[in-house]
Amino acid sequence: AQKITQTQPGMFVQEKEAVTLDCTYDTSDPSYGLFWYKQPSSGEMIFLIYQGSYDQQNATEGRYSLNFQKARKSANLVISASQLGDSAMYFCAVQGGGADGLTFGKGTHLIIQP
Amino acid sequence: NAGVTQTPKFQVLKTGQSMTLQCAQDMNHEYMSWYRQDPGMGLRLIHYSVGAGITDQGEVPNGYNVSRSTTEDFPLRLLSAAPSQTSVYFCASSPNPDSVGYTFGSGTRLTVV
Repeated sequence: AQKITQTQPGMFVQEKEAVTLDCTYDTSDPSYGLFWYKQPSSGEMIFLIYQGSYDQQNATEGRYSLNFQKARKSANLVISASQLGDSAMYFCAVQGGGADGLTFGKGTHLIIQP
Repeated sequence: NAGVTQTPKFQVLKTGQSMTLQCAQDMNHEYMSWYRQDPGMGLRLIHYSVGAGITDQGEVPNGYNVSRSTTEDFPLRLLSAAPSQTSVYFCASSPNPDSVGYTFGSGTRLTVV
């Protein structure tokens, strides 16, 4: 069984500041993948970034980076230079090596203030 | 290239009725899965498939059936709808879950009265 914990139900951040969204995970699989998704108020799920458990370097995708600390089972999302359009729900998810679907956390509601 | 298409977008059912939520993808993805999203609960996995003819249960499979007769389609069947199945349902697909993310459909909002 896998588990994701997101301890920040909501966050308010000033525009242009950097944001760190916390995510800790638990899995018994030696090989796994970690994902972050964005869900705007319109409801669609948008894939942001992926980190494999054996990747040596932290993943980056534009303004998004994943701070992966394997020993601490932590996979925090960092958004640099936040924008008003970053306001949304953010979900962390884990998948085991068997490609048996994603286990999601409960999400963090991020609000960027001008 | 339509991506992942879910139909219908909205549906109201009476308790005890059955229905099928449709999911189709045109990207030749082998991996497909269904999730439900309830307020405050995040998304929970209902069923998943790793290829045509292969399906398995996720975290919350009770009351739902799936089949995967083709690579493109992965319908979700509600056998006898209950108010507890009121939720938003998402279908997702991926070519390789171990290296890329899943592409999600736009969701089906289901209300059971």
